Amino acid sequence: GAVVSQHPSRVICKSGTSVKIECRSLDFQATTMFWYRQFPKQSLMLMATSNEGSKATYEQGVEKDKFLINHASLTLSTLTVTSAHPEDSSFYICSARIGATGNTIYFGEGSWLTVV
Amino acid sequence: KQEVTQIPAALSVPEGENLVLNCSFTDSAIYNLQWFRQDPGKGLTSLLLIQSSQREQTSGRLNASLDKSSGRSTLYIAASQPGDSATYLCAVYRYGQNFVFGPGTRLSVLP
Repeated sequence: GAVVSQHPSRVICKSGTSVKIECRSLDFQATTMFWYRQFPKQSLMLMATSNEGSKATYEQGVEKDKFLINHASLTLSTLTVTSAHPEDSSFYICSARIGATGNTIYFGEGSWLTVV
Repeated sequence: KQEVTQIPAALSVPEGENLVLNCSFTDSAIYNLQWFRQDPGKGLTSLLLIQSSQREQTSGRLNASLDKSSGRSTLYIAASQPGDSATYLCAVYRYGQNFVFGPGTRLSVLP
């Protein structure tokens, strides 16, 4: 079964509203979680790296004030897309790493966001 | 900076054919390489993971090889079936860092 649970799997929201996506590690403590997004017919691109209890590190070009990442516990990280616009419609997926620099990473099932 | 490319971008074959998907990466200092499958509108399914010390991995009709020194991996699919139609992604992982994904190969197997 899945060791990383991502919710919701699909969400439709109105333009201007905010939407939160959760990523939970089910059987392990994830010191580090990663958030990726994928635009249609493009590759998965890393958005940010979040470490439990500290601020996320964002990749170049990703607006940290728009994509709020919270990693308040060792089993939960959340991505909030604030003031969503249609161009934010995308596939968002998280992954969780066991330990700070471990070699085992599990992916969530992904979330499809549609902003109308 | 690690860059991952995949060839071909798209492939359409009749059912029953054997096929090869290619993945190239620029930085050979990888810890492992993983092949994923992504169905339209769905998430990722891990197919095969090859550690940097390994040359290949097999699972059913799938065989993945890795030549780290040349920065290449291939995914071989034997006796393709319509159910194999999906996008196939390769991703490389450097120890303590994150996965870098290729753009994917969109495969269509025609009945």
